Amino acid sequence: GDSVTQMEGPVTLSEEAFLTINCTYTATGYPSLFWYVQYPGEGLQLLLKATKADDKGSNKGFEATYRKETTSFHLEKGSVQVSDSAVYFCALRHRRNTGFQKLVFGTGTRLLVSP
Amino acid sequence: DTAVSQTPKYLVTQMGNDKSIKCEQNLGHDTMYWYKQDSKKFLKIMFSYNNKELIINETVPNRFSPKSPDKAHLNLHINSLELGDSAVYFCASRPSDRDRDEQYFGPGTRLTVT
Repeated sequence: GDSVTQMEGPVTLSEEAFLTINCTYTATGYPSLFWYVQYPGEGLQLLLKATKADDKGSNKGFEATYRKETTSFHLEKGSVQVSDSAVYFCALRHRRNTGFQKLVFGTGTRLLVSP
Repeated sequence: DTAVSQTPKYLVTQMGNDKSIKCEQNLGHDTMYWYKQDSKKFLKIMFSYNNKELIINETVPNRFSPKSPDKAHLNLHINSLELGDSAVYFCASRPSDRDRDEQYFGPGTRLTVT
């Protein structure tokens, strides 16, 4: 079945450091790919998405490129802030024949940014 | 003006009890979900409803019974609670438009079974 694999955390960085969180997927067909972010004590929020190969999703300084050849969707940010500390989830959308979608999540990667 | 709300936020109860968690969305979405997040932050879908009809049931024990009185509400009832049910439960919703990918999550309900 479809699955998403993320790098294990926590990822600990100093403010203004460069961030990469790796995500690879296994899926039939051509899924849509997402990054969700969960801040402490809150629900998940969509951070960015890409719906087809070579698409780049971006939001709040974060970027991820849909790489079909490597089945990857790595999350990057050039300069992290303390406020970016959160758990980041990579996910893919499994579209059933009926059209109803199901999200398959990775295990999440915790990011800790220190001043 | 909360989009997806859940009650209660925290729930502490003993093994064997029956409890319910409520979810409401005011976004006009047709599809709603329940997810379970364990202590390691692993998030897994449990159920999905579309216009009050069950469309996804991910091999969840029969002790869990979702109920959707209308398309704005999806409640989760759990019978005979077990220690392993301790987790954070998230409700989410999504519009039925196939091109709208976003799921909107509630703040979660932390269930602790003692």
